[in-house]
Amino acid sequence: AQKVTQAQTEISVVEKEDVTLDCVYETRDTTYYLFWYKQPPSGELVFLIRRNSFDEQNEISGRYSWNFQKSTSSFNFTITASQVVDSAVYFCALSEALNYGGATNKLIFGTGTLLAVQP
Amino acid sequence: DAGVIQSPRHEVTEMGQEVTLRCKPISGHDYLFWYRQTMMRGLELLIYFNNNVPIDDSGMPEDRFSAKMPNASFSTLKIQPSEPRDSAVYFCASSRGLTEETQYFGPGTRLLVL
Repeated sequence: AQKVTQAQTEISVVEKEDVTLDCVYETRDTTYYLFWYKQPPSGELVFLIRRNSFDEQNEISGRYSWNFQKSTSSFNFTITASQVVDSAVYFCALSEALNYGGATNKLIFGTGTLLAVQP
Repeated sequence: DAGVIQSPRHEVTEMGQEVTLRCKPISGHDYLFWYRQTMMRGLELLIYFNNNVPIDDSGMPEDRFSAKMPNASFSTLKIQPSEPRDSAVYFCASSRGLTEETQYFGPGTRLLVL
């Protein structure tokens, strides 16, 4: 069955520090999609990135970067030079492409990592 | 383009009352999802629609919950009668596709049942 594990429940850093949020997934499928969402204190869920299982290139977007490693089933997220505005809960999520035995191809979320960036 | 729109943003009601949550998906998106977020269970999918048809409602907790999508631009999630354990944030999301496409979330409805 598919599963997403975010072992870090809470992380606290001081502004300008770099921080990495870990995400480990389990899937039976060879074709799948991984996502990161941000949930700031205001409560909305903001999409950050989507990655398919055939694209292992790391991605950088400003201060954000993502490291996808199929060998370790990990899709980690790094924030460089963190800022107070980065304080939020970050969710990693997984969806599989194939439909096993009629099961829904649900977007499965991890439990989230609360990042607190102190000024 | 406008994002997913949900209303109301906050709802406080008393146990036993009917609650109706509303969602307008992003135009052109064929899939609509209802999620519930609680501290205990995290984010869980309740039901999703494809082209206005309910496809999977296995996440709906019990018969007190129902969802409809009368047209491509509107969906409701109804709880009748409501109970305190239904207190949660309810999110609506929409996407162009099912697995490969990104789901975009609305701002959520924070429900408190007293």
